Amino acid sequence: NAGVTQTPKFRVLKTGQSMTLLCAQDMNHEYMYWYRQDPGMGLRLIHYSVGEGTTAKGEVPDGYNVSRLKKQNFLLGLESAAPSQTSVYFCASSYRGGSTEAFFGQGTRLTVV
Amino acid sequence: GNSVTQMEGPVTLSEEAFLTINCTYTATGYPSLFWYVQYPGEGLQLLLKATKADDKGSNKGFEATYRKETTSFHLEKGSVQVSDSAVYFCALSDRGGGYQKVTFGTGTKLQVIP
Repeated sequence: NAGVTQTPKFRVLKTGQSMTLLCAQDMNHEYMYWYRQDPGMGLRLIHYSVGEGTTAKGEVPDGYNVSRLKKQNFLLGLESAAPSQTSVYFCASSYRGGSTEAFFGQGTRLTVV
Repeated sequence: GNSVTQMEGPVTLSEEAFLTINCTYTATGYPSLFWYVQYPGEGLQLLLKATKADDKGSNKGFEATYRKETTSFHLEKGSVQVSDSAVYFCALSDRGGGYQKVTFGTGTKLQVIP
């Protein structure tokens, strides 16, 4: 059972470089999310999607872009990486919002130097 | 806006000790409440949930009761094991039409020593 798969698991970027994080889910979920996890801050929502072809901003969207061209995939892009974007990034999906359970990937540890 | 407040960690307990992790929330609607657990090097996974007042969620010996009058959802376990060492997140999600994002607490690290 794959569930939610994130690639890559680790990455080191230089300031100003760009990269794309890929999230794939095989549960036919409508909703997908990107969070970042920082010490003492919990999880903060970057962007989310409520269906194929839709995206919306979360709490901390600046410096990130997303796309949901296929229902099973949700891509997170960093156009010009900054040290403040050093974090652990988690993708999650759920059947719908509200009281349904979210399933998380294993995370991507990104360091920007 | 919505918010979730958890007790600061880390919490260090001996094996077989009683565990309580406090969680209180602020929400405008009628939220669903969750506890997620994150084991080292892994993503979060749902531990238990409660969707309305006075509901009790339970799983793997953990319990939490949705207390609307005190806006709380404290996590308890009668006898912890070393394998329970992890970070625990309290979270809420508003019910109702349309999408409502999940709001997470900052997490409480639990370390259980033999």
